[in-house]
Amino acid sequence: GENVEQHPSTLSVQEGDSAVIKCTYSDSASNYFPWYKQELGKRPQLIIDIRSNVGEKKDQRIAVTLNKTAKHFSLHITETQPEDSAVYFCAASEDTGNQFYFGTGTSLTVIP
Amino acid sequence: DVKVTQSSRYLVKRTGEKVFLECVQDMDHENMFWYRQDPGLGLRLIYFSYDVKMKEKGDIPEGYSVSREKKERFSLILESASTNQTSMYLCASSVDAILQTEAFFGQGTRLTVV
Repeated sequence: GENVEQHPSTLSVQEGDSAVIKCTYSDSASNYFPWYKQELGKRPQLIIDIRSNVGEKKDQRIAVTLNKTAKHFSLHITETQPEDSAVYFCAASEDTGNQFYFGTGTSLTVIP
Repeated sequence: DVKVTQSSRYLVKRTGEKVFLECVQDMDHENMFWYRQDPGLGLRLIYFSYDVKMKEKGDIPEGYSVSREKKERFSLILESASTNQTSMYLCASSVDAILQTEAFFGQGTRLTVV
């Protein structure tokens, strides 16, 4: 089965700086990679996703890059704000079963 | 707006009790999932279902069973609760394998087994 590894497990940045979270996956059949944000006490919610036919996707301050050859994908948050503080999960899925395999999460703290 | 609703936000149960966690989604999604969330371990898949009465084991099915009698409802059953099943349980649903869209999560049930 798929194995998704996520680093770092914790990340602290100053407000306004950038944050990068990296994930690797093992199954070359995976072709859908969503990122979820979970604020304290709340449910995980999708913030951005990317499919394997695309190398990069951007939505305002958030971007995701995918390197299929190396089997890794990354989340980039620019101009971080205190409300970006949360736990972020990466995930991988393939189109044969629609199972989602999650990373172990990154706790991001943005220091004002 | 997709809604995934879990029946309880907090539960406290005794060791050995049979525990039912209920999840309902209102968007006619094919797939439903049960995850367990523990610090440092992320989201681990317990069971998932891709159709009514169909179920597949995830990564950590031991001690759990599931039921999907209706498309909108997916129940997680702890046959005999143990203290190591104290955790946050998250239900999720998604459209289907072909469309391959995001998973929508419920608000979670924090279960404490004493």
